[in-house]
Order: sequence, then structure tokens, then C-alpha cells
Amino acid sequence: DIQMTQSPSSLSASVGDRVTFTCRASQRIGNFLNWYQQKPGKAPKLLISAASSLQSGVPSRFSGSGSGTDFTLTISGLESEDFATYYCQQSNSTPWTFGQGTRVEIK
Amino acid sequence: QVTLKESGPALVRPTQTLTLTCTFSGFSLTTSTMRVSWIRQSPGGAPEWLARIDWDDDRFYRPSLRTRLDISKDTSKNQVVLTMTNMDPVDTATYYCSRTIGSGFFDVWGPGTLVTVSS
Repeated sequence: DIQMTQSPSSLSASVGDRVTFTCRASQRIGNFLNWYQQKPGKAPKLLISAASSLQSGVPSRFSGSGSGTDFTLTISGLESEDFATYYCQQSNSTPWTFGQGTRVEIK
Repeated sequence: QVTLKESGPALVRPTQTLTLTCTFSGFSLTTSTMRVSWIRQSPGGAPEWLARIDWDDDRFYRPSLRTRLDISKDTSKNQVVLTMTNMDPVDTATYYCSRTIGSGFFDVWGPGTLVTVSS
């Protein structure tokens, strides 16, 4: 199985901050990397597919980059509704796997 | 509008078989490239992909659970069914179904159903 490692596991930030967190794959996965946002008690929501393709309706303050083994998700200008947990997921090969998540908390 | 909803028992006894149904609308599993996956998430844990069924009836499973899982579809009812045998308390989780498209991402999710395994 491809292991996905996210860092940091949590971070504290303020509204308006620019935050970046990373996802590393245990082997090369091209751009088969997707990002999700999850709020407590809710299903995950797809933000970005194929490493950098923003889903329809997702605010443009979210952006993704990377290829191969190293990927980043950036939120430029954190808003109150962005406090949540973010997961990366690889779809290069089954079993598709998720990272352990990065929790974004209010400072 | 694409929607999915999971249904099934909230409580299962150890060693029993779990049967979950995903009822969806807004797309058809007879359409090329359409797929439905089951994903679970233990309390406080990360999501874990379990199985997938494709429009052409191809099926894929998490290898570590392969012997316990079966996924099937009923296109006339717009339903996908997941069965998991020999349930154990470690299988306690929220189980989600999700439409799966493109390069393998989950673009629409059901609200999830919490399954507790306990005697």
C-alpha cells in the first residue's frame, strides 16, 4: 500500500493567515493526489483533485501543488469556515489511501 | 443534483455480517466512467477506502479486507450494497458511500452511517 504522511498533524492559525501544509507519498504517484476538508460530524468534502484542480464552488483561496511524492495545500487568507481537518488521498493505485489529516485550529 | 445516502443497522454483534445499502440519485451506474466507493472512518481516525464498483461491474477491494467484503449493484434501483462478514469491535466506524469519478476522487459523499460493533 502507498503510505500518505501529512504534516503537521495540527496547526493553530488566525483568520487572514496564509497556511500551507504538506502531504508526502511513500512512492511516486504522479499527480494522482486529492484534497478533502472535513468538519466535525460531516462527510469529507472534495476541494482539489489531480493535485491542483480546484473543484467547482470551492473558493479560490484554496490551491494545491506538487507531483511525484510531495504535495502542498495552501489557504491564502484563512476564513472562519476553514477551521477543519484536511486529508490528502492518493488515487494512483488501489488500495486508495488517505493521510492521517491536518487539523487547523483557531489561534 | 447528485445525492447518496447510506442505510443499514446501527448496531451489529461481533461475528455477524453487516449489510449496508447506498441509494443514490442524479447519476447512473450504467454510464461509462461512473463508480461508487465505500469508505469508513473510525472515531477520531482518517478515512479508509474499502471497496469500489464500476459501471462495467468491475470490483476492487482493500486487500487487507478482501476476504470479508463483497460489493454489488442494482442499477434498476440505483443502489450499491456492501456486505462485510465477521464483524469485530474494531470495525466500529462511520461508513460512507461516495460517487467516484475521474482519476479516482470522491466528488460527492453520503452523510454516513455510524455502525457500532458490540455484544
